[in-house]
Amino acid sequence: AQRVTQPEKLLSVFKGAPVELKCNYSYSGSPELFWYVQYSRQRLQLLLRHISRESIKGFTADLNKGETSFHLKKPFAQEEDSAMYYCALRFSGTYKYIFGTGTRLKVLA
Amino acid sequence: EADIYQTPRYLVIGTGKKITLECSQTMGHDKMYWYQQDPGMELHLIHYSYGVNSTEKGDLSSESTVSRIRTEHFPLTLESARPSHTSQYLCASSLEGASAFFGQGTRLTVV
Repeated sequence: AQRVTQPEKLLSVFKGAPVELKCNYSYSGSPELFWYVQYSRQRLQLLLRHISRESIKGFTADLNKGETSFHLKKPFAQEEDSAMYYCALRFSGTYKYIFGTGTRLKVLA
Repeated sequence: EADIYQTPRYLVIGTGKKITLECSQTMGHDKMYWYQQDPGMELHLIHYSYGVNSTEKGDLSSESTVSRIRTEHFPLTLESARPSHTSQYLCASSLEGASAFFGQGTRLTVV
């Protein structure tokens, strides 16, 4: 069955420390992966997508098909990075998304 | 301003009432979606639409219904609300090949 797994519900790091939010997926087709972020009292918004291969707010994510992973990384966490992060998969050839349970990132001063 | 709007933001309603959650987007997107999210849990797709007069049920079984008579409007209706319907409902839209854009959500409480 198709599934997106985010093993950590909560991740706390100190400001300036590296961050890695884990995301694994199970999907037999060719996936399209996304990271969405939700800051306090704001709507869910796109952070980045794997096909863009870009860095947004210092975050990057690489699709590893061998390990079926799409981990989100940032070398130096900032306090404003504190938010809920959701990994999402879109089924190829459709517009259906499935989301992981989310990871709350807390960056401590 | 191009955006996606959900009303109401918060709703508390009694059991058995009929409710409609509104979702409108002014971005010209053809795809629209409804997700249900319980606190601390993942988003579950309950309905989606690829265009006018096209609606499909999502992966999570839901007693709600939707309609898509106009491109910009995708309302969700519960004929008889129950406490088990208490949740947050997120509406989203997208263009072909683009990522989904979300509304602010409606937090529904059925008492």
